[in-house]
Formats: sequence, C-alpha cells, structure tokens
Amino acid sequence: AQSVTQPDIHITVSEGASLELRCNYSYGATPYLFWYVQSPGQGLQLLLKYFSGDTLVQGIKGFEAEFKRSQSSFNLRKPSVHWSDAAEYFCAVDLSPYNTDKLIFGTGTRLQVFP
Amino acid sequence: NAGVTQTPKFRVLKTGQSMTLLCAQDMNHEYMYWYRQDPGMGLRLIHYSVGEGTTAKGEVPDGYNVSRLKKQNFLLGLESAAPSQTSVYFCASSYSSRQTQYFGPGTRLLVL
Repeated sequence: AQSVTQPDIHITVSEGASLELRCNYSYGATPYLFWYVQSPGQGLQLLLKYFSGDTLVQGIKGFEAEFKRSQSSFNLRKPSVHWSDAAEYFCAVDLSPYNTDKLIFGTGTRLQVFP
Repeated sequence: NAGVTQTPKFRVLKTGQSMTLLCAQDMNHEYMYWYRQDPGMGLRLIHYSVGEGTTAKGEVPDGYNVSRLKKQNFLLGLESAAPSQTSVYFCASSYSSRQTQYFGPGTRLLVL
C-alpha cells in the first residue's frame, strides 16, 4: 500500500543549527511531493513542492528539499534554523492519477528550537 | 481575500448529537477537502469534492456526510456524534488535483 513515512516524531535543534527532516514514500512511480508546515493552532501552509525537473526544490522561509528517486526520499533542509521555525512539518504525496485527487500525509515531525 | 474559512472554531457535543461544520473559500477553487487531524496520525482525508454538486469518499468517511451545493462552500455533517470523532477538522481547497491545497484554520471538536 502507498504510504508516507516521517521517521522522526520530534526533533530538537538549537537556533542557528542546520536542519534535516526526513520523508520517505512507498509508491510505484514518482509522485507529486509536498512539504507543509503547521504552526501551533494554525492550519497548514505549503513550504514547497516537487513535480518534476530539478530535484532540488527551493521553498519559502529559506527551506529546500531534495528528491532522491533511488532512496524514495524527499528530505527537507534548512541551513540555519530560526526560533520562528518551531512548528510541525508534514510531508505529503499526491497520488493522482493513480488514486484520484488525494494527498496522503505523513504523521508529522514536531520541531522544537532552543535559543 | 479571506482564503479558506471554517465555522465554528470550537465546539463541544454530547454523544448522539448532530452538527454541521461549514467551510467557505473565496478563491474560486474547484476542489475542496475535509480532513481530520489526530495526534500521531497526521491528516486523514474524510471526504472531498471535485466540483459543485459532487462528493467522494476519502480514507475515513464513516460517520460523516458532506454536501457541495455551492462551489464556494463545503459542509461536513455529523449525524450522531461519537467520542471517536473528537478531533481537529481541517478544510482545504485547491484549483485542481496536484495543485497546492490551501487550508483553513481548523475546527476543534470535542465529543463527550
């Protein structure tokens, strides 16, 4: 069955440190890939997305993600974390057209940032 | 542009009561979605709609009904609430499939 795995439930980093959040998918083809961020008490906001082409994707707030087909991964990175980046991050896979019009979300990674 | 709005923001129900959650979007999006978010489970799709007058089941549709009578509105109904439906409900909309989904702020529902 198709799935999205975020192996890290909770990550803590110091402000200014680099960050990498992992995402792996189980899927028979290259899906459309997304990273969303959810600040406390808020809805989700799109950080970046990958459809095709350059495997390194730039997003908002200084985030980037790299698609690696051989590893079925789409890891999110940021070179220097700010305290305002503390939030929950969700990787998502769009299964269209194989499973019409649906996004499958990972279970999320909660990021805590220490000053 | 208000984007995606949800009404109400918070609600407490007793087991067996019914209620309707309203989602409205002003972006002229064709697609609308209802998700529930539970701790450790991410977001799970309840129902979705690919256009006015259409609805389809998602991953966890049992106990919920939806209607899309107007393009800008997507209603989620609970006919007989159960404690297992305690959750945070998010509505989202998008222009089409494979496009960015825009999320509302969520409705927190507690069923006692």
